Amino acid sequence: EPEVTQTPSHQVTQMGQEVILRCVPISNHLYFYWYRQILGQKVEFLVSFYNNEISEKSEIFDDQFSVERPDGSNFTLKIRSTKLEDSAMYFCASRVDLGDGYTFGSGTRLTVV
Amino acid sequence: GDSVTQMEGPVTLSEEAFLTINCTYTATGYPSLFWYVQYPGEGLQLLLKATKADDKGSNKGFEATYRKETTSFHLEKGSVQVSDSAVYFCALLFYNQGGKLIFGQGTELSVKP
Repeated sequence: EPEVTQTPSHQVTQMGQEVILRCVPISNHLYFYWYRQILGQKVEFLVSFYNNEISEKSEIFDDQFSVERPDGSNFTLKIRSTKLEDSAMYFCASRVDLGDGYTFGSGTRLTVV
Repeated sequence: GDSVTQMEGPVTLSEEAFLTINCTYTATGYPSLFWYVQYPGEGLQLLLKATKADDKGSNKGFEATYRKETTSFHLEKGSVQVSDSAVYFCALLFYNQGGKLIFGQGTELSVKP
């Protein structure tokens, strides 16, 4: 069964550093998403991406965050200057179209120290 | 705004016990409703869904019925197994809003032999 692949599974970074979280969505999917889950809290929507542009973003997704689909297969989330409160599990997801269900990746646990 | 509320966890049951995990939602409009499951160390997997009032979603012995009158989508299983131990998330989605999922806080289920 096709999978959404996320790397790395765990990343530790120092406060103020830039991090890039990587995702490879399923190849024929058109809609891409990032969600995050701070430990013990809800899974929260960050951003959706379609046709090479952001279609919706949440209040969390401020100027420190950016997304990119650089080469038609990868989908990346960049945090420019990490804060302690960015520590969370980040999930990538994709789907073929708006009527279909999501396929989620296994997540990247980001720890900011 | 739109939101999902789940019963607090953790829920601890003995094998073969009956499971109910409550989920209620607040939404302006007619969302689709989902249950996702997260096994330890894995991503979010779609368990079941219902797209309109009175629909019943079912999968792997789990069931949930979309109740518009009580704005609920409670998850049930007649006889749980140790392998059902996981975190369960209720979520809603509006297809005409870019497909953003709104999650509940998750309910951890632990099934003891």
